[in-house]
Amino acid sequence: NAGVTQTPKFQVLKTGQSMTLQCAQDMNHNSMYWYRQDPGMGLRLIYYSASEGTTDKGEVPNGYNVSRLNKREFSLRLESAAPSQTSVYFCASNSGRSSYEQYFGPGTRLTVT
Amino acid sequence: AQSVTQLDSQVPVFEEAPVELRCNYSSSVSVYLFWYVQYPNQGLQLLLKYLSGSTLVKGINGFEAEFNKSQTSFHLRKPSVHISDTAEYFCAVSDEGRMDSSYKLIFGSGTRLLVRP
Repeated sequence: NAGVTQTPKFQVLKTGQSMTLQCAQDMNHNSMYWYRQDPGMGLRLIYYSASEGTTDKGEVPNGYNVSRLNKREFSLRLESAAPSQTSVYFCASNSGRSSYEQYFGPGTRLTVT
Repeated sequence: AQSVTQLDSQVPVFEEAPVELRCNYSSSVSVYLFWYVQYPNQGLQLLLKYLSGSTLVKGINGFEAEFNKSQTSFHLRKPSVHISDTAEYFCAVSDEGRMDSSYKLIFGSGTRLLVRP
């Protein structure tokens, strides 16, 4: 049981390049989330998906797109990376059945130069 | 909108000493409160949560927290810390007090606990 997995672990991009961060969970959870973590700012929600087929914006969605590919997978895409998107990105999931714990992946450290 | 304030960005403490990490929240509705821990280069894991009932909540690794509605606080405590408790601790509140399948968490900025020998 791997829980929540994220790929890649590290990535360096040049300004303007695009990339997709992958997230998968094997816990049959309904809800999935993408956060970014910046020093001194805690975690901020980028997008979330309450269930397969639905996605909604969080606190800081600008510059990102998401796809809930199926129940297991939730990807985050940067179409044109900017230095302000340098951050650590975390994916999380939650079963949504009166379970109040979000399970987090190990994170992706992204640097945009 | 809800918000969470963790006033202490870093708390240094000696091993076996007690520690308190402070968390205050703002909300006009019922809230659900959480503490998460992040060890170096890892994701977050849940320490404890307050949903309802007893205001004193016990979590993993000997941590506990007390919900104080009048002071809108949810401080985390441990009577005796270990070197292995060195980590970053995040307080979080559920968005709009909803705990359905689409609930969202609002996180504080985090407190780095540094335990010294």
